[in-house]
Amino acid sequence: SQQGEEDPQALSIQEGENATMNCSYKTSINNLQWYRQNSGRGLVHLILIRSNEREKHSGRLRVTLDTSKKSSSLLITASRAADTASYFCATDDTGGFKTIFGAGTRLFVKA
Amino acid sequence: NAGVMQNPRHLVRRRGQEARLRCSPMKGHSHVYWYRQLPEEGLKFMVYLQKENIIDESGMPKERFSAEFPKEGPSILRIQQVVRGDSAAYFCASSPPRGTSNYGYTFGSGTRLTVV
Repeated sequence: SQQGEEDPQALSIQEGENATMNCSYKTSINNLQWYRQNSGRGLVHLILIRSNEREKHSGRLRVTLDTSKKSSSLLITASRAADTASYFCATDDTGGFKTIFGAGTRLFVKA
Repeated sequence: NAGVMQNPRHLVRRRGQEARLRCSPMKGHSHVYWYRQLPEEGLKFMVYLQKENIIDESGMPKERFSAEFPKEGPSILRIQQVVRGDSAAYFCASSPPRGTSNYGYTFGSGTRLTVV
């Protein structure tokens, strides 16, 4: 069953704008991760946030986690055309051994 | 320091044939995961293995699919008697022991299986 659900499914913005993607999940988690996938390629790990953390930064990326609402957001600031990709959230729940991925947000950054 | 190596990158099989997908984890990683991805969709968990052990195979179809991670050599995902619905991208990922890393999984580039 799907654990993480991303919103929106697709997002189109101009270069230089900020992009915000949201993820909701259903169960208690140990951590939440965000990945990026360029068309036809494997996934690249972007950032991991643990359940006891609320915010994390990495370069132009900012991730927040609200465990009370079971949601996370990924903010990409000052977007570039090269940021065009699919972005997936993934969760490690407390009861299992596997990481479950959402369906992804497809981001298009227009130059 | 090679990452996760998957081969072949592309595999074409006729209906009824067998498909073997290989995955060599990143050096130092002892945990391997297989995922399947259909076009425009997310990744669906299939199986989680450690050396010589299947830890969680709850995402594997009950028939025709099997996976192994032997003491020596790569992890193998085997699909017997392939059907058109098996056409997908199959991704392998590896990690150190769970909970010990802040870096999530390292993914391979995937094997794109086409059943004709």
